[in-house]
Amino acid sequence: GAVVSQHPSRVICKSGTSVKIECRSLDFQATTMFWYRQFPKQSLMLMATSNEGSKATYEQGVEKDKFLINHASLTLSTLTVTSAHPEDSSFYICSASRGQGRPLHFGNGTRLTVT
Amino acid sequence: GDSVTQMEGPVTLSEEAFLTINCTYTATGYPSLFWYVQYPGEGLQLLLKATKADDKGSNKGFEATYRKETTSFHLEKGSVQVSDSAVYFCALRGGSQGNLIFGKGTKLSVKP
Repeated sequence: GAVVSQHPSRVICKSGTSVKIECRSLDFQATTMFWYRQFPKQSLMLMATSNEGSKATYEQGVEKDKFLINHASLTLSTLTVTSAHPEDSSFYICSASRGQGRPLHFGNGTRLTVT
Repeated sequence: GDSVTQMEGPVTLSEEAFLTINCTYTATGYPSLFWYVQYPGEGLQLLLKATKADDKGSNKGFEATYRKETTSFHLEKGSVQVSDSAVYFCALRGGSQGNLIFGKGTKLSVKP
């Protein structure tokens, strides 16, 4: 079956530093990738949608200069949390799809802790 | 806009009890509906889905029927096990990009 690999699974960083999270589709080409954020005991909120080769579409309220998304190839999308602050601590999950209407496959998520 | 409402937890059941987690949705058009499960410390796994009205999704003893008339997709299992303890998310898929819209999740704890 289709596999999405997300790395790292856990990361701890100091306030003010930047963190990059990778999302890879291992056995299929993902034309679309979605980035979600999950707050403790809450649902997953869509942050942005990235299509290969074009700029990401951010949801309302998500700072695009803080959460940089790059989808440079059909198998890799990255989320960079720039100048991280403790309030950015959260669980980030990516999902990937071959395209509109095709199944979504999720990574295992990244637990980010900013100290 | 599209939205999903599911019953708030936590839900605590004894092993072999009957489970129902309610889920209703609001959407334009005809979305696909999903249940995802998240075990402690893990990512999301697709549990079951239904793509059109009256479809029944089923997996691992769980079932849910797409009810267009009541805009519902309730999750049921006849006899839960301790290993079913997890957070369950109802979701719909629609929109131009095909992203998932999730409910808030329901935490299920099954006691032996």
